[in-house]
Amino acid sequence: AQKITQTQPGMFVQEKEAVTLDCTYDTSDPSYGLFWYKQPSSGEMIFLIYQGSYDQQNATEGRYSLNFQKARKSANLVISASQLGDSAMYFCAMRARVYSGGGADGLTFGKGTHLIIQP
Amino acid sequence: KAGVTQTPRYLIKTRGQQVTLSCSPISGHRSVSWYQQTPGQGLQFLFEYFSETQRNKGNFPGRFSGRQFSNSRSEMNVSTLELGDSALYLCASSLSGQGIVGTEAFFGQGTRLTVV
Repeated sequence: AQKITQTQPGMFVQEKEAVTLDCTYDTSDPSYGLFWYKQPSSGEMIFLIYQGSYDQQNATEGRYSLNFQKARKSANLVISASQLGDSAMYFCAMRARVYSGGGADGLTFGKGTHLIIQP
Repeated sequence: KAGVTQTPRYLIKTRGQQVTLSCSPISGHRSVSWYQQTPGQGLQFLFEYFSETQRNKGNFPGRFSGRQFSNSRSEMNVSTLELGDSALYLCASSLSGQGIVGTEAFFGQGTRLTVV
């Protein structure tokens, strides 16, 4: 079974500062994918960034980057130059265990971090 | 390109009733997954459909069921509603049908179900 741990229930950050949201994971599968999603108060889950377990480079998407440390089973999200619109819940998730007949486990989510950007 | 559409957005039902939620995936996406989000349990995987077949199921009682139609639209049904079924139900669609771990899931805005 997979497990995602997000140890920061909430964070307050000044606008324009960089933010690091922590995520550790646990799985026995050698092949897995790690995802970060943003959930504003409207409820929709917005995909931010993806990292595969075999990817050699850390993933980057605009202001988002993923600090992937495989040996430590860590996949922290870094947001550079935070903006007021970044205030939201952030979820780390993973998917592993691809079945030979197709299909995979659904995404396993962490409990989330509530990020508040202050002006 | 239209995103994932879930209807209705809000729903209030009485204990013991049943409910059906609908999800229209992104055009061309053949995989639809359902998740339940509650303050206590967080986000939990319900089931996944691909080409009208349920491929995988989370740890939920049989009261939770779903189906997928030939146009990839999916419905989720909950029978004999309990107070604990109150939650945000999120649908996600994916392009890949091979269960690749890196398949990106695009979510809808969810249906907020309240059971009274």
